[in-house]
Amino acid sequence: AQSVTQPDIHITVSEGASLELRCNYSYGATPYLFWYVQSPGQGLQLLLKYFSGDTLVQGIKGFEAEFKRSQSSFNLRKPSVHWSDAAEYFCAVGALYNTDKLIFGTGTRLQVFP
Amino acid sequence: DGGITQSPKYLFRKEGQNVTLSCEQNLNHDAMYWYRQDPGQGLRLIYYSQIVNDFQKGDIAEGYSVSREKKESFPLTVTSAQKNPTAFYLCASSIDFRRETQYFGPGTRLLVL
Repeated sequence: AQSVTQPDIHITVSEGASLELRCNYSYGATPYLFWYVQSPGQGLQLLLKYFSGDTLVQGIKGFEAEFKRSQSSFNLRKPSVHWSDAAEYFCAVGALYNTDKLIFGTGTRLQVFP
Repeated sequence: DGGITQSPKYLFRKEGQNVTLSCEQNLNHDAMYWYRQDPGQGLRLIYYSQIVNDFQKGDIAEGYSVSREKKESFPLTVTSAQKNPTAFYLCASSIDFRRETQYFGPGTRLLVL
């Protein structure tokens, strides 16, 4: 069965430190992958997506993610975290040209200390 | 500006009452979705619609109903049969069901009195 795992429920970093949020997936078909960010009480905003091509994807707000097929991972990174990055981050996986629905991970809450 | 609007931001339901959550989009998207979000959980799909006058049950459709009479609108009714309705409800849309970059509205928080 298709699944998405975000192993870290809660991560705390200092402002200016680097960040990596983990996402692992299990999917039979060729996946397409997303990272969304959610501020408290708000909807989800798309950070970046991977459909095909270059496995290193650049997104908004200085985020990037790398698709590693051999590891079934799509980890999100940022070289220097800002206090405004504190939010909850969701990884999602679907199948291109397929009627399968998008599957979301359970989220990682990021806390940033000054 | 194009986008998705949800109303109200907060909604209170009494026991035995049906309530309807509004979702409107002006993105000219064919597909629309309703998700439920509970603390510590990911998003769970309630219903989705690939095109006007058509919709399908998602993973947790029991106690909910929808309609899709207009392309722009996809209201969700939480019926009295939904015994645990307290949650954050998110509406989303995408260009079509096969190109699944979904764009989300700001959400409605439903509370039970």
